Amino acid sequence: NAGVMQNPRHLVRRRGQEARLRCSPMKGHSHVYWYRQLPEEGLKFMVYLQKENIIDESGMPKERFSAEFPKEGPSILRIQQVVRGDSAAYFCASSPGSAGGAPLHFGNGTRLTVT
Amino acid sequence: AQTVTQSQPEMSVQEAETVTLSCTYDTSESDYYLFWYKQPPSRQMILVIRQEAYKQQNATENRFSVNFQKAAKSFSLKISDSQLGDAAMYFCAYRRNFGNEKLTFGTGTRLTIIP
Repeated sequence: NAGVMQNPRHLVRRRGQEARLRCSPMKGHSHVYWYRQLPEEGLKFMVYLQKENIIDESGMPKERFSAEFPKEGPSILRIQQVVRGDSAAYFCASSPGSAGGAPLHFGNGTRLTVT
Repeated sequence: AQTVTQSQPEMSVQEAETVTLSCTYDTSESDYYLFWYKQPPSRQMILVIRQEAYKQQNATENRFSVNFQKAAKSFSLKISDSQLGDAAMYFCAYRRNFGNEKLTFGTGTRLTIIP
């Protein structure tokens, strides 16, 4: 049973370009979460999605960042016009349900480097 | 808003010895879950142990156990018989048992195992 798949593993973008990060949840999981981890820091919540719906985007910057989880296909985190401060590891997690005890299963993350 | 605090940025322990990592949290809720995740250098986030707030019995998973003090809002992780493979960042996390809730992480403790 494949785990949460994130790609690419590493992504390099120049300032002003767009970054697209993909996340395929575990089979049977319909809840997806995106987190950002700056160097030597913890994971900061960005957005929580279910199929075709954004449930909680309270951690998303108001500009340049967007996320989607379509009916078919992976969840996408999109960062437009990247800046150096966007350099971080971005983690996706999925869970089978929304109950508090349902553990989140994490992917290996995408390390974004903005040059 | 819920907050999770890990006051030990770094800890070290001799191989085969026991170490305790501290975590405190702030919430006005009574129904929630607490988690410890491990992040080795591979960057993978691995669930170590989970505790339901309504259960008085402390959770145990092999060499890992917790000391859950609900009134004090404390949730420490004890690792017995430390092994070299335990070296990692350890993150404490909180999640309200309400449905559609995100996981909130502490800033982490870096654990070093001394051979």
